[in-house]
Amino acid sequence: ETGVTQTPRHLVMGMTNKKSLKCEQHLGHNAMYWYKQSAKKPLELMFVYNFKEQTENNSVPSRFSPECPNSSHLFLHLHTLQPEDSALYLCASSQEVYSGGNTIYFGEGSWLTVV
Amino acid sequence: QKEVEQNSGPLSVPEGAIASLNCTYSDRGSQSFFWYRQYSGKSPELIMFIYSNGDKEDGRFTAQLNKASQYVSLLIRDSQPSDSATYLCASPLYNTDKLIFGTGTRLQVFP
Repeated sequence: ETGVTQTPRHLVMGMTNKKSLKCEQHLGHNAMYWYKQSAKKPLELMFVYNFKEQTENNSVPSRFSPECPNSSHLFLHLHTLQPEDSALYLCASSQEVYSGGNTIYFGEGSWLTVV
Repeated sequence: QKEVEQNSGPLSVPEGAIASLNCTYSDRGSQSFFWYRQYSGKSPELIMFIYSNGDKEDGRFTAQLNKASQYVSLLIRDSQPSDSATYLCASPLYNTDKLIFGTGTRLQVFP
């Protein structure tokens, strides 16, 4: 138990569906992240939020839409996805993005399959 | 573009041996490195971090950083089958907590 909880753990969705991934951290952190992990590729940083403000969008397609209503919760809204978007989506948190050197804690991940 | 590179493996070692996992990086300004372990189907968990040149030991794990040669390694002594996992090397981007990861090295420890 890392203090970062993700739901759902598994999700199968059609290309025309709309779904959301949810992440909640109980560590009192101020920074939250979405990473994508595909087979044989490094973890890819998708979005970064610091004190609820988005500080980074790494050229992620608009079919992925993040939302951070407060420092403890992070969502990833999904719509009109492609099969190549099937991957493990990891949420993570740390004390604060720009202090540097803090440990990042990961949630268990949400396995997404697009059919 | 900051890059962290690892051999994807698998690296196979017998139980009780020393497993040596290596990582190279492109950015000479990189100051710190993190080693995460990821079991199949699970999320990454932090096992070591290192800031300074030289060695850092924690139990059976030793991290080694050589900034002149731009590599960082992780040694696992007395390897156990339970150490079988993928080991991810990561470095933060420009004094932030935004980690850049390598592809990971899969370690297999056989009895």
